[in-house]
Amino acid sequence: DAKTTQPTSMDCAEGRAANLPCNHSTISGNEYVYWYRQIHSQGPQYIIHGLKNNETNEMASLIITEDRKSSTLILPHATLRDTAVYYCIVRVPNAGNMLTFGGGTRLMVKP
Amino acid sequence: NAGVTQTPKFQVLKTGQSMTLQCAQDMNHEYMSWYRQDPGMGLRLIHYSVGAGITDQGEVPNGYNVSRSTTEDFPLRLLSAAPSQTSVYFCASSYFLAGVQETQYFGPGTRLLVL
Repeated sequence: DAKTTQPTSMDCAEGRAANLPCNHSTISGNEYVYWYRQIHSQGPQYIIHGLKNNETNEMASLIITEDRKSSTLILPHATLRDTAVYYCIVRVPNAGNMLTFGGGTRLMVKP
Repeated sequence: NAGVTQTPKFQVLKTGQSMTLQCAQDMNHEYMSWYRQDPGMGLRLIHYSVGAGITDQGEVPNGYNVSRSTTEDFPLRLLSAAPSQTSVYFCASSYFLAGVQETQYFGPGTRLLVL
């Protein structure tokens, strides 16, 4: 799986958009970009994933650059409940290829 | 659906004791896995299974055994607990669609302290 680089921490004001970047410059053509988050003491929660097109669901949007070397997770209107550690993971979604969690970005949403 | 359930929620063991962490899912998912998370760290894969009767090692398998006799259950056994196994353990499950692994669902975790 390609290595990812994320900032250690970020702050965001409540109600504003939170933009979380992820670099994955060694990504290969068949690897997807996944985002999970972990709210304190809970199990990780799936957010969104994509291959090369931008994706949007009820939780977030995922913007992947044209060269696929980086991506941004966007929480359009951050709330205090979005305070969590956000993990960017790049992998081939095959049967024997498991999720590998790195350090992630600790997002603090402030009132 | 209850999703992924784990028992117990908390456990304290003495060094050398053995125990089994239980994990069950009611979503008929083929894939199940165990992760551990040490304080301030990301998750690391211990063991995984892609179906009943099939298991394989992850990144940190030493000191742990698993078996998958049914689709629903995937217990993790600590053979002889050590303080280094103090951690939070998460179980996860997912299914495959046309060979692609779909999103993983995680359980609430088991907090283990080994004295």
